[in-house]
Amino acid sequence: GAGVSQSPSNKVTEKGKDVELRCDPISGHTALYWYRQRLGQGLEFLIYFQGNSAPDKSGLPSDRFSAERTGESVSTLTIQRTQQEDSAVYLCASRVLGQSHTEAFFGQGTRLTVV
Amino acid sequence: DAKTTQPTSMDCAEGRAANLPCNHSTISGNEYVYWYRQIHSQGPQYIIHGLKNNETNEMASLIITEDRKSSTLILPHATLRDTAVYYCIVRVRSTNTGTASKLTFGTGTRLQVTL
Repeated sequence: GAGVSQSPSNKVTEKGKDVELRCDPISGHTALYWYRQRLGQGLEFLIYFQGNSAPDKSGLPSDRFSAERTGESVSTLTIQRTQQEDSAVYLCASRVLGQSHTEAFFGQGTRLTVV
Repeated sequence: DAKTTQPTSMDCAEGRAANLPCNHSTISGNEYVYWYRQIHSQGPQYIIHGLKNNETNEMASLIITEDRKSSTLILPHATLRDTAVYYCIVRVRSTNTGTASKLTFGTGTRLQVTL
């Protein structure tokens, strides 16, 4: 596809269950970002991947959160033992590197509801 | 990345210019000013960016003060579809080797365009 694709678009899960969110970046985009947005709030940085370099995990809120990315392709964000405070929209963005400026393209997000 | 300060909300009449201010008094010489907006239930969308010169594209104009400590995003003829949250971000310029940096979003300005 032409844009960043995220799946599922909506996810309802029971407290304590694990969830896996998927992001398909734009082809050729080396950098990939994950953000969390709680209802009515701004975007909270979680993690970003930059090519083969070690990811910046400084935004992950707890060890229940982890993310993986294979090469320059798909990324998955995993939340273990979900809590109600994990309910939010999880946004993924990708960007091409190698230039002084490139814009980040965002997906439509995955709305996670923990009940 | 430098911190930015924006008003929480603004109103603008349709057809009028919307002027959205942003303070970034701690910006350093190698940081760009970026603007993104987020329309309800969508991922953020890139608008414009600049370093020290004023910039204009098909969406908006960006006016950066000479000392670079503040900037203004101008939507010359606001429409109802411009109702969104507007985020001002400062980010380190990528190097020629393509190192990335995360985009740190604040709480943004909620612009309401009215009839």
